[in-house]
Amino acid sequence: GAGVSQTPSNKVTEKGKYVELRCDPISGHTALYWYRQSLGQGPEFLIYFQGTGAADDSGLPNDRFFAVRPEGSVSTLKIQRTERGDSAVYLCASSPAGRIAFFGQGTRLTVV
Amino acid sequence: TQLLEQSPQFLSIQEGENLTVYCNSSSVFSSLQWYRQEPGEGPVLLVTVVTGGEVKKLKRLTFQFGDARKDSSLHITAAQPGDTGLYLCAGGGGGATNKLIFGTGTLLAVQP
Repeated sequence: GAGVSQTPSNKVTEKGKYVELRCDPISGHTALYWYRQSLGQGPEFLIYFQGTGAADDSGLPNDRFFAVRPEGSVSTLKIQRTERGDSAVYLCASSPAGRIAFFGQGTRLTVV
Repeated sequence: TQLLEQSPQFLSIQEGENLTVYCNSSSVFSSLQWYRQEPGEGPVLLVTVVTGGEVKKLKRLTFQFGDARKDSSLHITAAQPGDTGLYLCAGGGGGATNKLIFGTGTLLAVQP
């Protein structure tokens, strides 16, 4: 596609449920990033993939969060046993190389 | 931990005024980027600076990277309502990870 696509755009879930957030990067981009953003704040780094492997997962807040990128393209961020504090906009970005990043529109997750 | 502090946090000005946003850190960054984000959208890259003391201009926007590569500023001349948005600086720390550390953000509102 022309840009980074994230689905769903909005997700409301009940506390304790499992959710999956999807990111389709720009075709050919080898680097993929997940960030989390609270209202009016800067994005907070979660995880970075280079190809299929997680090159840096130091930003994942705890073991309820997990992300995969099995074929080096689409990535899924998985959150188990969701908590109200997980509510935020989850942003995905991709890059052909280096640090120039193209962001998707984000998935707004609301845990009620 | 690398942190980027932005100031001011909020700024409301009249159309035609000038303004400066600051991005400061105690850490050295190999490069620094500025993004602008509108509600419901992902951040959009404005500029990347990589050399200490570098100045880049983008129409009415002037970006400067500090000599020591620890700080940066964004100056907007004759602000327009279309400049309204969340301005984010982001630093690249180098190394294999390529991750960006985002600043705390500056929310700018330009009143017509």
